[in-house]
Amino acid sequence: GQQVQQSPASLVLQEGENAELQCNFSSTATRLQWFYQHPGGRLVSLFYNPSGTKHTGRLTSTTVTNERRSSLHISSSQTTDSGTYFCAIASYGNEKITFGAGTKLTIKP
Amino acid sequence: EAAVTQSPRSKVAVTGGKVTLSCHQTNNHDYMYWYRQDTGHGLRLIHYSYVADSTEKGDIPDGYKASRPSQENFSLILELASLSQTAVYFCASSDQGNSGNTLYFGEGSRLIVV
Repeated sequence: GQQVQQSPASLVLQEGENAELQCNFSSTATRLQWFYQHPGGRLVSLFYNPSGTKHTGRLTSTTVTNERRSSLHISSSQTTDSGTYFCAIASYGNEKITFGAGTKLTIKP
Repeated sequence: EAAVTQSPRSKVAVTGGKVTLSCHQTNNHDYMYWYRQDTGHGLRLIHYSYVADSTEKGDIPDGYKASRPSQENFSLILELASLSQTAVYFCASSDQGNSGNTLYFGEGSRLIVV
């Protein structure tokens, strides 16, 4: 089945530094999303990005489909960015949406 | 924004008892999913459904049943709860399975089996 690997598993930065999160997947993803999970547990979608580059605010997602990888870049990190970031994919003909194990990001003031 | 509500938000169940987790969405989405999350881990798919009265097995269906009586409602049933089923359970919905729309999650149901 499809597999999703995220790196690093955890990342600790000082406020103001940039963060780079990676997602690698085993099969061609027709649907790739990045999610943020608040420390309290709620999950919110950040990007739907099966290919190319998308920006929103300080966040940039870049997916290179034929290389089966995606990245999430957070610029000028803030303490409120702390939480866990997940990558999730679905492949053509497969309605299952598979999540990676996540990257736990901690931003220190 | 799509609204997905789960109930109960928290439950303590005894080993061997029956547990039903309910999920309700109000945006007429076709697809609904149940995931479990163990402390410090990602989400694993238990069951999903793309139409009322039909459910599909996810990656970890053993020990769980699912029911989709209507487009709006999707339940997860633990007939004989076990200690290993202690976890946080998330329900999600989306418009389409493959071609693009985002998942909308409920706030989670924390289940502790004792």
